[in-house]
Amino acid sequence: NAGVMQNPRHLVRRRGQEARLRCSPVKGHSHVYWYRQLPEEGLKFMVYLQKENIIDESGMPKERFSAEFPKEGPSILRIQQVVRGDSAAYFCASSPLKQGETQYFGPGTRLLVL
Amino acid sequence: DAKTTQPNSMESNEEEPVHLPCNHSTISGTDYIHWYRQLPSQGPEYVIHGLTSNVNNRMASLAIAEDRKSSTLILHRATLRDAAVYYCILSGGSNYKLTFGKGTLLTVNP
Repeated sequence: NAGVMQNPRHLVRRRGQEARLRCSPVKGHSHVYWYRQLPEEGLKFMVYLQKENIIDESGMPKERFSAEFPKEGPSILRIQQVVRGDSAAYFCASSPLKQGETQYFGPGTRLLVL
Repeated sequence: DAKTTQPNSMESNEEEPVHLPCNHSTISGTDYIHWYRQLPSQGPEYVIHGLTSNVNNRMASLAIAEDRKSSTLILHRATLRDAAVYYCILSGGSNYKLTFGKGTLLTVNP
């Protein structure tokens, strides 16, 4: 049974470029969550999506960041015009249901902005 | 969001039991108590969760106080691979955002 898969595992971008992070949830899970972990800090919630719907994006920066979870394919976290402060580990988690259900995390994508 | 309080760090010897405490005095009736751990350079790993009763699985045991204001994660025989940061997190009901505090850094000595 495959767990949550994320790719790429490491991503290097120069300031101003775009970063696309992909997340494939556990098979059968229809709820996806993205978290960000800045260096030396704890994980912070960014966005919660169901298939084709953004349920809660309260933790996502208002500009440059967007997320989607299409009917087919992985969930995508997109960061436009990256800045050095975007350097962090981005983790995706999935769950079969929302309420009280355990979230299972992927290995993360480590983004480094030069 | 209901908060949890954990010691910053704990130390154990290999093959000895480890009891990791967590206080959550503002827990609500619908909050589940989840424990995750994060090894260096890895994503958080689910360990165990419970609501009211004590829980056991292959990784650990979770002891929940009768008033639910505290809980203890029990690793029955610590191994070097158990060295990680352990997070105690309340979630459930409408609270799906996992709030990761600083957790407890567990060091396991050989």
